[in-house]
Amino acid sequence: DTGVSQDPRHKITKRGQNVTFRCDPISEHNRLYWYRQTLGQGPEFLTYFQNEAQLEKSRLLSDRFSAERPKGSFSTLEIQRTEQGDSAMYLCASRRQSPNEKLFFGSGTQLSVL
Amino acid sequence: DAKTTQPTSMDCAEGRAANLPCNHSTISGNEYVYWYRQIHSQGPQYIIHGLKNNETNEMASLIITEDRKSSTLILPHATLRDTAVYYCIVNYGGSQGNLIFGKGTKLSVKP
Repeated sequence: DTGVSQDPRHKITKRGQNVTFRCDPISEHNRLYWYRQTLGQGPEFLTYFQNEAQLEKSRLLSDRFSAERPKGSFSTLEIQRTEQGDSAMYLCASRRQSPNEKLFFGSGTQLSVL
Repeated sequence: DAKTTQPTSMDCAEGRAANLPCNHSTISGNEYVYWYRQIHSQGPQYIIHGLKNNETNEMASLIITEDRKSSTLILPHATLRDTAVYYCIVNYGGSQGNLIFGKGTKLSVKP
C-alpha cells in the first residue's frame, strides 16, 4: 500500500475564507471517508463515498461543507465561509468495500481559522 | 455516540505487557470490536478486530469475554513507540463500516 495521502498538511486561513483539502486514497479502495478531529477528542465521522457516490453525510456536515469524489478516485472537501469553530484536523480514510475491511487513515490536514 | 467505555489514561513500563480494557455492555450479536491507535500528529492506525474469539496478530492480542460485554487489548512487550491514544470501537462489520470513535485511552509507556 502506498498509503492515503492528504494535502495540504497544514492550512491557516482567515475567518470567512474558503478552503479546499484533497485526499488521495489507496488506489484499489472504493470507499472513502472524511472525519474531523478536535483537540482531545476522537475523530468524528463527516461523510463517506462509495466510488463517486456520496452515500452518507453526518449532521455535523453543515451547508458550508461540501465533499466530492468526481471520478471515484481522489476526493476534495471544501469549507466555505470558514469560522473559528472549523479549526480542527480533517482526516481522510479509505478501505475496500468488503465487510470488516480495515480503514487506512491519512495523516490529516490541520486547519487553523484565525 | 460511542458505545464503549475506556479509561482516560494508563501508564506502562517499557518491556512490560500493556493491558487496555474496554467495556461495551450494549454490544449486539453482529457487532465487532475494533482497536485503533493514534500517535501524536498522525491518523489512526488499525491494530486488530474480533467478533467473539480471541485474536492475535503481529501487533497485539485481543481478548473478548464470553458474554462479549468487555474486551482487553494486550501489547505483549510495550515500547516507547507504543505511546499513543488507543480507541476501542464497536461496529457492525457490514457494508458501511464508518467507525464511531470515543475519546480513547492515552497510553504512556515509560522507560
